[in-house]
Amino acid sequence: DAKTTQPPSMDCAEGRAANLPCNHSTISGNEYVYWYRQIHSQGPQYIIHGLKNNETNEMASLIITEDRKSSTLILPHATLRDTAVYYCIVRARHSGNTGKLIFGQGTTLQVKP
Amino acid sequence: DTEVTQTPKHLVMGMTNKKSLKCEQHMGHRAMYWYKQKAKKPPELMFVYSYEKLSINESVPSRFSPECPNSSLLNLHLHALQPEDSALYLCASSQVGGVYSNQPQHFGDGTRLSIL
Repeated sequence: DAKTTQPPSMDCAEGRAANLPCNHSTISGNEYVYWYRQIHSQGPQYIIHGLKNNETNEMASLIITEDRKSSTLILPHATLRDTAVYYCIVRARHSGNTGKLIFGQGTTLQVKP
Repeated sequence: DTEVTQTPKHLVMGMTNKKSLKCEQHMGHRAMYWYKQKAKKPPELMFVYSYEKLSINESVPSRFSPECPNSSLLNLHLHALQPEDSALYLCASSQVGGVYSNQPQHFGDGTRLSIL
């Protein structure tokens, strides 16, 4: 599975959009990009995933560049409850098998009032 | 609230004790996972079960013994643990294979284990 690179920390003002970048320059054609977050004292929470098209759900939007070498997770209106460690993970599609998640160090997002 | 339930939430045990961690899900997922997370570090995979059979063991010491008695339950039996085994133990589940092979894993909130 391809390696990802994320900034160790970011700040965001409450009510503003939080844009979290992730580099995955060695991603291959069958690898998906997943985003999870982990709020203190909780388990990781799935946010969104995508292959090559941009994706949006009730939590966030995922923008993947055309060459797929990087992506950005967008939280449109950050709240204090969005303060967490955000993990960007690249994982191959293992047809007929289970794929394992390899977590990097993630980005600690601090939302400030 | 998560759909993966782990018990107990906290566990303190001595190095000679035997204890078990339990994980339960009712989402019909046929893959279940154990991860270990040390303080201020990311989770690391320990075991994967697929259709109740062990499919991945990430070279975990034998003092950790997983068990998957049915499709909804996953246990982790602990014996003769060391202080460095103190960590947050996370369980996750997902659908398996085919058209589901890109489906995400869903995590419980973990058991925080302390070894005295």
